[in-house]
Amino acid sequence: NAGVMQNPRHLVRRRGQEARLRCSPMKGHSHVYWYRQLPEEGLKFMVYLQKENIIDESGMPKERFSAEFPKEGPSILRIQQVVRGDSAAYFCASSPPGQAGRQFFGPGTRLTVL
Amino acid sequence: GIQVEQSPPDLILQEGANSTLRCNFSDSVNNLQWFHQNPWGQLINLFYIPSGTKQNGRLSATTVATERYSLLYISSSQTTDSGVYFCAVKQGGKLIFGQGTELSVKP
Repeated sequence: NAGVMQNPRHLVRRRGQEARLRCSPMKGHSHVYWYRQLPEEGLKFMVYLQKENIIDESGMPKERFSAEFPKEGPSILRIQQVVRGDSAAYFCASSPPGQAGRQFFGPGTRLTVL
Repeated sequence: GIQVEQSPPDLILQEGANSTLRCNFSDSVNNLQWFHQNPWGQLINLFYIPSGTKQNGRLSATTVATERYSLLYISSSQTTDSGVYFCAVKQGGKLIFGQGTELSVKP
């Protein structure tokens, strides 16, 4: 049973470009979460999604960031017009139905903004 | 919201030594997880432990939910145990992480 998959593992963007991060949950998991880890800090919650629904986006910056989890395909975290402060590791997690507290994490995408 | 505090922030051990990491949380929780972030940045699930004690090899964890703390024990530490250890508690659908304990095990 493959774990949570994220790609790309490393992403370099110049200021003003768009970044798209993908996450495929574990098989049988219907809940996806995105977290951000700034350098030398802990992980901070960004958004919680189920298929075609955003359940909690209280941790998402109000501008430039969006997330989706379509009926088919991976979840996407999109950052428009990236700035240097967006440089971080972005982790995706998934959980089985009814077990939101038991989350399994992907390897992360390290975003570097030049 | 729930506050999660971990101690100590840093820990240096000689290989073979034992250690105890602590996680305090400010409100009642019905689940808690421990993770190890290795030097390559990967987050590895160690324990899902809302209450009680669990053991996995040289690692064990105890959560006393009524007193709002959890402990992670590492026995006979190895250099591969180095990294950052996080605890996280559930609030709504999200996990609230502590700031971590950075462990360095010297050969």
